[in-house]
Amino acid sequence: EVQLVESGGGLVQPGGSLKLSCAASGFTLSDYWMSWVRQAPGKGLEWVAKINDDGSEKYYVDSVKGRFTISRDNAKNSLYLQMNSLRVEDTALYYCARGGKSYFASWGQGTLVTVSS
Amino acid sequence: QSALTQPASVSGSPGQSITISCTGTSSDVGSSNLVSWYQQHPGKAPKVMIYETTQRPSGVSNRFSGSKSGNTASLTISGLQAEDEADYYCCSFAGGSTLVFGGGTKLTVL
Repeated sequence: EVQLVESGGGLVQPGGSLKLSCAASGFTLSDYWMSWVRQAPGKGLEWVAKINDDGSEKYYVDSVKGRFTISRDNAKNSLYLQMNSLRVEDTALYYCARGGKSYFASWGQGTLVTVSS
Repeated sequence: QSALTQPASVSGSPGQSITISCTGTSSDVGSSNLVSWYQQHPGKAPKVMIYETTQRPSGVSNRFSGSKSGNTASLTISGLQAEDEADYYCCSFAGGSTLVFGGGTKLTVL
């Protein structure tokens, strides 16, 4: 069974940093593109970033370019999102998702990031 | 990277069919057969219902179907059931290998 478990969320002040992790199990991580998708409270889904199977290709939504970095460690079955210069508008539930080349096949339950002073 | 346009809400009675539209541009929906649809119940993670515009994942009811015409993709749910009540989001491959979601549609089963 595919499982994706996010961690690392929390309360951070504007301008601060946070690193999210996603532990993958039930499949071979190195075979898949992986993505982060976020959902602000009461709002819709927004794709944030994706990374290819070996980490050589990375893509971001314009609003996070230069601030967020997606990475992976296939040996540790883990996906990461380093978030710097956080803004109030980055407040959201962040989902780890398997896929991103064309669609998201599996999703975690999300980790909540709150940016507030 | 502007969000795709979906109706805010749709409704239907049990047994009826409904269609949710998803309108983009020639740079995303119009130039790609990589449109997907997601169902999200309150407090739950999204679940893929349709991928690559018309394909249904294993385990998803054949009451769900997808199509596309020009810059507009559509999700049709036939034989509406109470458990179909949820939020639905479309997503398309867009320029620069990015992805873009629609704003979401709340489906109410009357």
